[in-house]
Amino acid sequence: EVQLVESGGDLVQPGGSLRLSCAAAGFTFSTHWMSWVRQAPGKGLEWVANIKHDGSGVHFVDSVKGRFTISRDNAKNSLYLQMNSLRAEDTAVYYCARVVGWFHLDYWGQGTLVTVSS
Amino acid sequence: DIVMTQTPLSLSVTPGQPASISCKSSQSLLHSDGKTYLYWYVQKPGQPPQLLIYEVSNRFSGVPDRFSGSGSGTDFTLRISRVEAEDVGVYYCMQTIQLPYTFGQGTKLEIK
Repeated sequence: EVQLVESGGDLVQPGGSLRLSCAAAGFTFSTHWMSWVRQAPGKGLEWVANIKHDGSGVHFVDSVKGRFTISRDNAKNSLYLQMNSLRAEDTAVYYCARVVGWFHLDYWGQGTLVTVSS
Repeated sequence: DIVMTQTPLSLSVTPGQPASISCKSSQSLLHSDGKTYLYWYVQKPGQPPQLLIYEVSNRFSGVPDRFSGSGSGTDFTLRISRVEAEDVGVYYCMQTIQLPYTFGQGTKLEIK
């Protein structure tokens, strides 16, 4: 059974940093691209970032470029999202998701809440 | 960016009746490989999104056959042949033919 468990969400001040983690189990993590998707409170879904199975390729939505970094540790079956220079508009539940086929997302974690507020 | 526009934004359906959601993209989702990269997700209350349909019309594992997807190019439809109480949630279309991948605004399905 595919399992994705996010952690690291917290309340952080504007301009601050936070690192999210996603622990994967139940599949061969090292052979899959992975994604982060976020959902602001009461709002829709926004794709944030992708990372290639070996970490050699990454993509970001423009609104987080230069502020967020995506990485992975295949030995630990873990995905990360380093978020710097956080803004109020980054407040959201952040989901990690497994990528299959042409970049669609077949399994999602339960999400972790990031709140950016003073 | 490709804009995904869903209609309606909400619908209320009597159990056993059909439901239909439209999704229109601002650019064609037909890839040069012949595939169309349009997906449907549902987010049930308090849960993460879950995949329903991939590549326009293919049901994901475990998805009941009352769900079907159709369409081509820029116009797509998700149909539920007979709505059940467990189908309550917000339905999203998504495209992955071009970065950044984008979702529709969501359609909230309620049961009458």
